Amino acid sequence: QVQLVESGGGVVQPGRSLRLACAASGFTFSSYGMHWVRQAPGKGLEWVAVISYDGSNKYYADSVKGRFTISRDNSNNTLYLQMNSLRPDDTAVYYCAKDVRLFVLFSAGPFDPWGQGALVTVSS
Amino acid sequence: SYVLTQPPSVSVAPGKTARITCGGNNIGSKNVHWYQQKPGQAPVLVISYDSGRPSGIPERFSGSNSVNTATLTISRVEAGDEADYFCQVWDSSVDHMGVFGGGTKLTVL
Repeated sequence: QVQLVESGGGVVQPGRSLRLACAASGFTFSSYGMHWVRQAPGKGLEWVAVISYDGSNKYYADSVKGRFTISRDNSNNTLYLQMNSLRPDDTAVYYCAKDVRLFVLFSAGPFDPWGQGALVTVSS
Repeated sequence: SYVLTQPPSVSVAPGKTARITCGGNNIGSKNVHWYQQKPGQAPVLVISYDSGRPSGIPERFSGSNSVNTATLTISRVEAGDEADYFCQVWDSSVDHMGVFGGGTKLTVL
């Protein structure tokens, strides 16, 4: 079955960096766009970034543009989110999610399934 | 940027019908997706492309979308349906990005 497993979360000081990874299995990873979505404690969902199946197209939410970078390694079935210049308001559970459509250069959801999430806490 | 508006909470008795709305400017022209999130769990897609039901989602879940409001309808509500529900669209008007509604807490009385 399709499985997404995030790793790399933790506590980090403001201004520092952290890299999340999402290991995918159970499907042809290189055929699907992938997303990161986050959820601050007790809050709603916020879309963060998307990368096309081949890595050629990447888009970001305004709140993370210029600080976060999404990437993928199709040979190792892994999605990444490099987070730089972290701020306290970046504190959230970060989910990776698979787009449902095949071979789309402009992935636009829906997202199915989602990983279990990785908690990132930005605090001094 | 595009804004989706959901009621913070909806309450319904078991066996009745729950309707959760998602308002947006001309949302009828967009594809709307709905996610269910239970406490401590990741979201699950329950309705795609306005009214599509993914494999494994009960027929009690349905969706519609018209003009400025999309609606998630849950018929014959069960205690296990108690959860947060989020609508989602894609906005390509200025940039290319996902947009979520603020979420609705469904309480089964």
